Amino acid sequence: DSGVTQTPKHLITATGQRVTLRCSPRSGDLSVYWYQQSLDQGLQFLIQYYNGEERAKGNILERFSAQQFPDLHSELNLSSLELGDSALYFCASSVDPNSPLHFGNGTRLTVT
Amino acid sequence: AQTVTQSQPEMSVQEAETVTLSCTYDTSENNYYLFWYKQPPSRQMILVIRQEAYKQQNATENRFSVNFQKAAKSFSLKISDSQLGDTAMYFCAFMLNNDMRFGAGTRLTVKP
Repeated sequence: DSGVTQTPKHLITATGQRVTLRCSPRSGDLSVYWYQQSLDQGLQFLIQYYNGEERAKGNILERFSAQQFPDLHSELNLSSLELGDSALYFCASSVDPNSPLHFGNGTRLTVT
Repeated sequence: AQTVTQSQPEMSVQEAETVTLSCTYDTSENNYYLFWYKQPPSRQMILVIRQEAYKQQNATENRFSVNFQKAAKSFSLKISDSQLGDTAMYFCAFMLNNDMRFGAGTRLTVKP
């Protein structure tokens, strides 16, 4: 168990809808990262927060947004969902920049 | 942005033998971190090994070791005495200033 908690584990929704994925980092970790992994693909970096502030941004679509709250948990919001957004979304946390990332078990999103 | 290349989409090895997975990266920076992660069929992301670029000594973790060639920007993973439980996707990752990028992965199958 990595100590990173992601909810829900599975999510099935229709095109055009909006969903929110939640992540609780390991106790003491200030950095939260979001990655998208489509079927049999590598991990695409979406966005990273450190102690509530956005620190790095990857290939995140404008339809997607994220934030990190004062209690350090993070949410990833996906709107106007398309079939191609179906993927495994990982959250990871680390104690500081350049430390190894510890991953949650992911949220599997299926858009029908 | 930094890029990470894993040129071997799939590899296989006989149980108890040794296998080496390749990874190259592109950066103009000098101080960075490199990682290998394992993703078994359960889809969990598990840290295998870490290498700091400023360290010349290659990292080792039990049966896992790396060959870090900084000038060549190469970071290969050697798995000795392969076990059936090593069957997984292996991702090479590069980290610099909060930003961790992954290669496309190598699918390793250990055959009995």
